[in-house]
Amino acid sequence: DAGITQSPRYKITETGRQVTLMCHQTWSHSYMFWYRQDLGHGLRLIYYSAAADITDKGEVPDGYVVSRSKTENFPLTLESATRSQTSVYFCASSERGVTFYEQYFGPGTRLTVT
Amino acid sequence: SQQGEEDPQALSIQEGENATMNCSYKTSINNLQWYRQNSGRGLVHLILIRSNEREKHSGRLRVTLDTSKKSSSLLITASRAADTASYFCAKEGRDDKIIFGKGTRLHILP
Repeated sequence: DAGITQSPRYKITETGRQVTLMCHQTWSHSYMFWYRQDLGHGLRLIYYSAAADITDKGEVPDGYVVSRSKTENFPLTLESATRSQTSVYFCASSERGVTFYEQYFGPGTRLTVT
Repeated sequence: SQQGEEDPQALSIQEGENATMNCSYKTSINNLQWYRQNSGRGLVHLILIRSNEREKHSGRLRVTLDTSKKSSSLLITASRAADTASYFCAKEGRDDKIIFGKGTRLHILP
């Protein structure tokens, strides 16, 4: 199916566990993004990637690791999950000319850390 | 912080009325985009306005940008129940970083 997908949609994990959230897009967009959404904070950028093997930190990168070995995939790993990482995580993709074009968002992953 | 701030945080209006939401920012931008988020869903792009544009229209949506005041507004005319959602502005700064605001929750009353 064309579009941007995220898996899993829901995840419960324990403090200290490693968890990986997957993101896959079929448009071959160069740019991909990970955001977290929390009440009172809106969307905050965790990491983004301009192309395969190129990643950069966003506003709240601590505790997260990303990789992008293929253009279509951009997994987000929480190396040792903490309760403060309980959130809804959104992946997005976009192209860019002189400026960014619209971002396409996935459906989100609701992560609970107990 | 360059975060765009939406105002008001929440807005309830009667169906058929117009809804206006505002977004302010602190530093220069390349463009500003508006997104809608229905409950439990991802964001959907509505409209993009570049820094050299003052107004854009898309259907019942009208967006204005005032770079001297560092603010943008989103007007939804003739609101419908389906417009109930959260609306976010997203600014692309000169550093190419995209910052989302905290959003305005719009509720259309029947």
